[in-house]
Amino acid sequence: GDSVTQMEGPVTLSEEAFLTINCTYTATGYPSLFWYVQYPGEGLQLLLKATKADDKGSNKGFEATYRKETTSFHLEKGSVQVSDSAVYFCALSSGNTPLVFGKGTRLSVIA
Amino acid sequence: DSGVTQTPKHLITATGQRVTLRCSPRSGDLSVYWYQQSLDQGLQFLIQYYNGEERAKGNILERFSAQQFPDLHSELNLSSLELGDSALYFCASSVTGDSGANVLTFGAGSRLTVL
Repeated sequence: GDSVTQMEGPVTLSEEAFLTINCTYTATGYPSLFWYVQYPGEGLQLLLKATKADDKGSNKGFEATYRKETTSFHLEKGSVQVSDSAVYFCALSSGNTPLVFGKGTRLSVIA
Repeated sequence: DSGVTQTPKHLITATGQRVTLRCSPRSGDLSVYWYQQSLDQGLQFLIQYYNGEERAKGNILERFSAQQFPDLHSELNLSSLELGDSALYFCASSVTGDSGANVLTFGAGSRLTVL
């Protein structure tokens, strides 16, 4: 079945550092890809999405490009802030199937 | 506030007991999803309803059941509780039943602790 693999955390970075969180997927067909973020004590929020190959999703300085050839959707941000500390989930949906999530990557940004 | 309301926020109960978690979807959303988040399993899809009908089923145990009512709110019933059922249970909603095309809006979750 469909699955998502993302890098294990926790990831600890200093403020203004460059962030990459790797995500690869296995799916039948052509899935839509998502990054969700979960701040402490809250539910998940959509961060960005891409629905077809070579699409780039972006939001709040975060970016991810749908790479069909490498089945990847890595999350990047050029300069992280303390307020970016959260758990980040990569997810996919094939057709009408409910979202399949990766296990999440905890990011801690220190001042 | 995401617009998806879950109650209760926290629940502590004993093994063998039964609990009901409630979810009110965001206004205008017809589909409701239930997910279980535990430390070792991550986020696991349990079940989805669309406009009162079951749309998809995931890794939901037989001891668990759910339904969506005519006013579109949903309840997740967990019975014969075991220690391993301790987790965060999230409800999410979307406009249609197609989670590929629609964004899921998540509630803040119900934290269940089974002692």
